[in-house]
Amino acid sequence: EDQVTQSPEALRLQEGESSSLNCSYTVSGLRGLFWYRQDPGKGPEFLFTLYSAGEEKEKERLKATLTKKESFLHITAPKPEDSATYLCAVQAGADSWGKLQFGAGTQVVVTP
Amino acid sequence: NAGVTQTPKFRVLKTGQSMTLLCAQDMNHEYMYWYRQDPGMGLRLIHYSVGEGTTAKGEVPDGYNVSRLKKQNFLLGLESAAPSQTSVYFCASSYSRTSGITDTQYFGPGTRLTVL
Repeated sequence: EDQVTQSPEALRLQEGESSSLNCSYTVSGLRGLFWYRQDPGKGPEFLFTLYSAGEEKEKERLKATLTKKESFLHITAPKPEDSATYLCAVQAGADSWGKLQFGAGTQVVVTP
Repeated sequence: NAGVTQTPKFRVLKTGQSMTLLCAQDMNHEYMYWYRQDPGMGLRLIHYSVGEGTTAKGEVPDGYNVSRLKKQNFLLGLESAAPSQTSVYFCASSYSRTSGITDTQYFGPGTRLTVL
């Protein structure tokens, strides 16, 4: 059975304290791995898509990487405005366009 | 360009009542989706549509029906609400697989539904 597991469930950081979030997956035929940011009471906001092992993408203080079994979202020198829940999702298998399987998310709190 | 919008933002129902959630997108996307989000479980796909007049079941379709009469709108219906349907509902849209454009899904702001 396909699974997407995110860890840790919650992370509390001091401003400037870099850290990494993990998204591990067991799926057949990965087509894409997506990272979203979700603020309280709002819908998920797209961050990155990664398609193959070794791929990396960056946006401001965020950097996403992908291996054959997991993805990491690195937060470098975070600021309080980086506080949010970060979701990862995978698209896997034939005819999987649009069929995302989400992890439960990692809630990040960055304190000044 | 409003993106994906959802109506209403909040709703409280009694068990057995019915209601319809409306999703609209102005990005000319072919595909549209309905998800529910529950604490600790992540987003789960309820139903989706690959074009006007077509719908298909997702991971958790029981108790819900959908319709896509216009390309820009996707309706989610609850015929007889149950407390287990208390959740936050999100609509999303994307380009089609054959478009050759991105497969990114864009989400609406959500509807918080409580069934008493």
